[in-house]
Amino acid sequence: EVNLVESGGGLVHPAGSLRLSCVASGFTFGSFAMSWVRQAPGKGLEWVSGIDGSGDLTYYADSVEGRCTTSRDNSQNTLIFEMSSLRVEDTAVYYCVKDLIIGSSFPRYFDVWGRGTLVTVSS
Amino acid sequence: DIVLTQSPATLSLSPGERATLSCRASRSLKNYLAWYQHKPGQSPRLLIYDASIRATDIPARFSGSGSGTDFSLTISSLEPEDFAVYYCQQRNDWLRGTFGQGTKLEIK
Repeated sequence: EVNLVESGGGLVHPAGSLRLSCVASGFTFGSFAMSWVRQAPGKGLEWVSGIDGSGDLTYYADSVEGRCTTSRDNSQNTLIFEMSSLRVEDTAVYYCVKDLIIGSSFPRYFDVWGRGTLVTVSS
Repeated sequence: DIVLTQSPATLSLSPGERATLSCRASRSLKNYLAWYQHKPGQSPRLLIYDASIRATDIPARFSGSGSGTDFSLTISSLEPEDFAVYYCQQRNDWLRGTFGQGTKLEIK
């Protein structure tokens, strides 16, 4: 069974930092681009960041550009998301998502989603 | 920047009725559009990609159409479990917003 499990959410103070992890199972992790998608309370879905299968290419939304880094460890089937200078508006459920298309060098469509991890930025 | 505009914001229908949801892009996407279903307390689910291809295990009552700037998701006969929020998503421009704002499909 294909599965994604996020961890690392919690309460963070404004200007603080966070590190989210996502452990994948049930598929050849290194063959697929991965992304992070978030949903703020009462809001819609927002793609935040993506990374190709090898980890060489990364992509970031304008809203987080310069404040975050996405990386992956294919030997551990793990996706990592690190963000600093957190703002109240970064409060959201963060989903780890798998790309539909094998071998894609950039995110396309998302066919497997984790359950999400809640990040709350508040003083 | 590509902007996706979904309409209506809320659609109130009864089980058994036909639902048609719209997604309009600010510039051509060719056929590079997907639809997702999101229920409260669950993770979003991919329904349709490349505008009209059903994802794995998606029932045939879900269909997608359109190309260029105008796209539709149709649910031919609503089941009770279909009431949810639906999002369209484009894959052409990853620096800006990639999802529409959503259409809430509610029971009338």
